[in-house]
Order: sequence, then C-alpha cells, then structure tokens
Amino acid sequence: EAAVTQSPRNKVAVTGGKVTLSCNQTNNHNNMYWYRQDTGHGLRLIHYSYGAGSTEKGDIPDGYKASRPSQENFSLILELATPSQTSVYFCASGDECHQDTQYFGPGTRLLVL
Amino acid sequence: GDQVEQSPSALSLHEGTDSALRCNFTTTMRSVQWFRQNSRGSLISLFYLASGTKENGRLKSAFDSKERRYSTLHIRDAQLEDSGTYFCAAASSSFSKLVFGQGTSLSVVP
Repeated sequence: EAAVTQSPRNKVAVTGGKVTLSCNQTNNHNNMYWYRQDTGHGLRLIHYSYGAGSTEKGDIPDGYKASRPSQENFSLILELATPSQTSVYFCASGDECHQDTQYFGPGTRLLVL
Repeated sequence: GDQVEQSPSALSLHEGTDSALRCNFTTTMRSVQWFRQNSRGSLISLFYLASGTKENGRLKSAFDSKERRYSTLHIRDAQLEDSGTYFCAAASSSFSKLVFGQGTSLSVVP
C-alpha cells in the first residue's frame, strides 16, 4: 500500500488561477518535501516541513506557498499560476530515524495554459 | 549552493554488459541516495549510503568515505528492465535537504 500519495495526479490550470497540490503520507514521518522536476534540472526543492505547523523555504520557493496542517498532510499552493510553473511535482517524506532517506510519491503533472 | 554533477548524462548498454555511473559533489556531503525513475515517472529508491558500499543483486553503490565528494553506482550484467533514468541525491550539513543530480538516462538494448 502506497505510503506517500499525491492528488491530483494530473492538473490543467489557467494562468492566474490558484492551484493546490496535496500530499498525504502514512509513514508517520516528521519531514515532508515538495520538489519539481523539469527536463535538464533533475529535482529541485521548493518547500519542506519539519512537522505540523512548520514550513521552510527550499531552493526555489518563489511563486509557491506551502501548508502543513497535520503530520500526514503537506500542500503546495500556487496562488497565481504561471506557464513557467508547468512541471512535474513530487512530494516526499522522511524522518530523523532514517537520516536523509526520503520516500517519494508518484508525482503530479501540472500544465498551466 | 551545493551542487551535484552526475555523469554520463546518457548511456546505452548492450544486455549483459557492465557500467558505472558517477556523481561528484562540489562540497562534502553527509550521505547519498540513488534512485531509478521508470517510464511512468515513479522514483524508486535503490540505495542510501552514509559511507562505504552497498550491494543489491546486480547493483552496487559506493560513497567515498574519506573526502565524501563522490559516489558511484555500478550495474553488472545489464538487463532490459534496468532502462530508465538514474538520479543521485546528496545531503550536506543542511539537515535532510537533498540536492539532486541531473540524471543519467540509461538505455539497455538487446
């Protein structure tokens, strides 16, 4: 049974619209992460969280917000979506007991028109 | 910021041959993780190393324990199902933040 799930799996949005990507993990991990993957860039860290109520900026946070309302859920929010945010988004979870190991969700394909 | 340089960017292997992928780090890293991304886009964790080597079937990975500036992934007796994109990701002193390489696209052909 998948431990990190993402929804939606595919999304088409219009420029200027609001997009919320959701992530749920059943690993009981403290840490959660949001990455985007673009051709030629590998995965890049957008936001992460150390636990419920916390969000931290990653390497490319501009244009994104994050929300961690509970241990299990971590959302990525695009308040005003732009075509440059068309990408594949991955969520991951991890905890201190397993050091830096992260477990990834299946990804969300976002197309901003 | 921390950089991870992965090579080669693309690789074609015949079935049954061996090869190695490499990641160089611009700074000392605490640990490295290797992933394979399949055709559906799923990221599958292959290895996590804080030092030394690990082996799983035909795959073996090593992390330079001395200077902690590079890691390798060896593929032995390549099979068609090994095709995919391989990523390394390393964590530095910033707790649990992974920096990814740009990936190696591996194609195994008959």
